[in-house]
Amino acid sequence: GAGVSQSPRYKVAKRGQDVALRCDPISGHVSLFWYQQALGQGPEFLTYFQNEAQLDKSGLPSDRFFAERPEGSVSTLKIQRTQQEDSAVYLCASSQIGGYTFGSGTRLTVV
Amino acid sequence: GDSVTQMEGPVTLSEEAFLTINCTYTATGYPSLFWYVQYPGEGLQLLLKATKADDKGSNKGFEATYRKETTSFHLEKGSVQVSDSAVYFCAPGVAGGTSYGKLTFGQGTILTVHP
Repeated sequence: GAGVSQSPRYKVAKRGQDVALRCDPISGHVSLFWYQQALGQGPEFLTYFQNEAQLDKSGLPSDRFFAERPEGSVSTLKIQRTQQEDSAVYLCASSQIGGYTFGSGTRLTVV
Repeated sequence: GDSVTQMEGPVTLSEEAFLTINCTYTATGYPSLFWYVQYPGEGLQLLLKATKADDKGSNKGFEATYRKETTSFHLEKGSVQVSDSAVYFCAPGVAGGTSYGKLTFGQGTILTVHP
């Protein structure tokens, strides 16, 4: 597609619920990144894929967070047993050599 | 790890005023440097970038110069417009390794420009 598409745009989850956030990168982009942006803060790195390989997951805040990109295209970020501190905007970005394109993000609110 | 210190906001200016938003960073190696902008209700957009020392990135009247000796990448614009009102993020990018392209963002500077 023309840009990075993320769905849903908004998600309200009850505490303890599992959620899945989807990212459709630009076709052909090898690299895919997930970031978490808390209110009033800059985005913070979560994880990085090169094709289907997850090369860096050092930013995932706990083992409740899991990301996958099984066919090297669409990626899913899953959060199990959501907590209030998980409330944030989750941003996906895809890139070729040094050029990033961000999606509009999924705003997750845990109540 | 990498870190970024960005000028705290909010910054409020009148139209046509001069803008400077300071940014200093610590990083391993020689990262690429980026400024991103987030307009109200929109996603992050690349504003400008510089990939090596003394490079100047420029776009839409904004400029920033990669200063290796002071590890800085200050954003400037000679005459701001109301449409420049947004949040600005400075971000060095990892230069290599398995996380090539990973960005470390500053906390953001809110800019409001009044007519």
